[in-house]
Amino acid sequence: NAGVTQTPKFQVLKTGQSMTLQCAQDMNHNSMYWYRQDPGMGLRLIYYSASEGTTDKGEVPNGYNVSRLNKREFSLRLESAAPSQTSVYFCASTTRGVTYEQYFGPGTRLTVT
Amino acid sequence: TQLLEQSPQFLSIQEGENLTVYCNSSSVFSSLQWYRQEPGEGPVLLVTVVTGGEVKKLKRLTFQFGDARKDSSLHITAAQPGDTGLYLCAGMWRAGNMLTFGGGTRLMVKP
Repeated sequence: NAGVTQTPKFQVLKTGQSMTLQCAQDMNHNSMYWYRQDPGMGLRLIYYSASEGTTDKGEVPNGYNVSRLNKREFSLRLESAAPSQTSVYFCASTTRGVTYEQYFGPGTRLTVT
Repeated sequence: TQLLEQSPQFLSIQEGENLTVYCNSSSVFSSLQWYRQEPGEGPVLLVTVVTGGEVKKLKRLTFQFGDARKDSSLHITAAQPGDTGLYLCAGMWRAGNMLTFGGGTRLMVKP
């Protein structure tokens, strides 16, 4: 099992450009998440998908859109990148249960100039 | 927004020393998780605590959940350079709700 995979690992964008971050999991998890991580701020939830066909906003959704393509895949799109979106982006998926432990991908390091 | 505060933010110690990291909130958690993250990688779950007063041990790591389920601590005995990393706590306020992460404690253990 690969667990949670993310592509690309690194990306540099110019302000105003668009891109899509891809995430896939092979653990048959129902729920998937996108976080961003900035220095000293832990992880902040951007969007999540509780199950295939549903998506909901998290704490910091502005400037992003998501698509739950199927049970395995959850993508994050930046329509018009801004320097404030420079960050490390993590995708995660979770088991269904009382505690919802999360399994994370390796991250995408995005720089917007 | 529910807040989770971790302290200290940074910790640099010598190999063999003991340390404690704290995670505090004014709200009650239904459960709390601790993750460890190494540079260039995603966080990896260490433990989940659910019951107030619960203590869990993972080799040299001891995790404690406060009686009132508002706080938690991570104690490392005889730290080793391999313990170096970012330690994150994450709380869930209602079962099935989203996780909220603390700001993290960056630990460096020098040989």
